[in-house]
Amino acid sequence: ETGVTQTPRHLVMGMTNKKSLKCEQHLGHNAMYWYKQSAKKPLELMFVYSLEERVENNSVPSRFSPECPNSSHLFLHLHTLQPEDSALYLCASSQTRGASMGNTIYFGEGSWLTVV
Amino acid sequence: GDSVTQMEGPVTLSEEAFLTINCTYTATGYPSLFWYVQYPGEGLQLLLKATKADDKGSNKGFEATYRKETTSFHLEKGSVQVSDSAVYFCALSVRETSGSRLTFGEGTQLTVNP
Repeated sequence: ETGVTQTPRHLVMGMTNKKSLKCEQHLGHNAMYWYKQSAKKPLELMFVYSLEERVENNSVPSRFSPECPNSSHLFLHLHTLQPEDSALYLCASSQTRGASMGNTIYFGEGSWLTVV
Repeated sequence: GDSVTQMEGPVTLSEEAFLTINCTYTATGYPSLFWYVQYPGEGLQLLLKATKADDKGSNKGFEATYRKETTSFHLEKGSVQVSDSAVYFCALSVRETSGSRLTFGEGTQLTVNP
């Protein structure tokens, strides 16, 4: 139990569906992240939120839409995805933005997404 | 840009064997270095970290030493167990510039057989 909870753990969706991934952190952190983990590729940072404000968006297609209503919750809204978007989506949080000098980033268990 | 190169997997060992997973990096600033572990079906967990040259991170019998002269952070364990079977990720973060991101290696799959 890392203090970061993701739901659902598994999701299968069609290319025309709209779905959302949810992340909740119970650690009192101020920064939250979405990462994408595809087979045989390095982890890719998608979005960073600090104090509920999006501070980084790494050229992610608009079919992925994040939302951070408060510092404890982070959503990833999905619409008109492609089969190549199938991956493990990892949510993470940290006390402040950044992963240096003891500011550890804690990861959730991930949501396995399959686009059919 | 910043990058992390890990030893290619998969790595298969027998129980009680010695483990080394190589990791080298390139960074524009002075990075902090991390090893994360991902057990089957789970997310990433921080295994150990080091924030300056010659620091040694250690946890659960794993160790890695921050070697600035060779830009390396190799993961070692003297005697692996079946329960160590997982994917191991080396990562870096640079304080001065891209402080908001971890740059990961591609991961190394470790399987330990009884």
